[in-house]
Amino acid sequence: EDQVTQSPEALRLQEGESSSLNCSYTVSGLRGLFWYRQDPGKGPEFLFTLYSAGEEKEKERLKATLTKKESFLHITAPKPEDSATYLCAVETSGSRLTFGEGTQLTVNP
Amino acid sequence: GAGVSQSPSNKVTEKGKDVELRCDPISGHTALYWYRQRLGQGLEFLIYFQGNSAPDKSGLPSDRFSAERTGESVSTLTIQRTQQEDSAVYLCASRSQAGTTEAFFGQGTRLTVV
Repeated sequence: EDQVTQSPEALRLQEGESSSLNCSYTVSGLRGLFWYRQDPGKGPEFLFTLYSAGEEKEKERLKATLTKKESFLHITAPKPEDSATYLCAVETSGSRLTFGEGTQLTVNP
Repeated sequence: GAGVSQSPSNKVTEKGKDVELRCDPISGHTALYWYRQRLGQGLEFLIYFQGNSAPDKSGLPSDRFSAERTGESVSTLTIQRTQQEDSAVYLCASRSQAGTTEAFFGQGTRLTVV
């Protein structure tokens, strides 16, 4: 059975304090790994797709990386508006998207 | 449409009643997913439709849950004889083609069973 584990569950940072979120996975036949951002009361918003180990994607203060067993979402010099829950999902051969429990990020001014 | 649309946005129902939740995917998207999200938790897979193929129903938690989709258009998720543990946000997502693109989510339907 596909498993996705995100850590930490919650993270508090000061504005400008860089850090990383982790998504580790156990799947048979990874087709893609997705990162989403979810604000309270809203649906998840797509951030990145990674397909193969070694791949990296960047968007503003966010950078996602992928290895054969895990993905990291690096946040550089975060701002309060980066506060949200960050979700990781994997897609395998059946095209089901399996999500982790998320990391709730709070950035204090 | 511009995005995935779900209705109603909020639904309060009495225990034992049936409810129907609606999802309008992005036009042309062949893949459609339903997820359940309990308060403070991640997304729990319910069902997946891909074009005219048989849906993947393996995530439906009980036979009280069912979903339909007509072609590549609207989908409805029906919960019969609702229970308090059914209270959650139900999220719908669509993709232009599974396996190659990202999924776009609606805002969800918040279901409260009293």
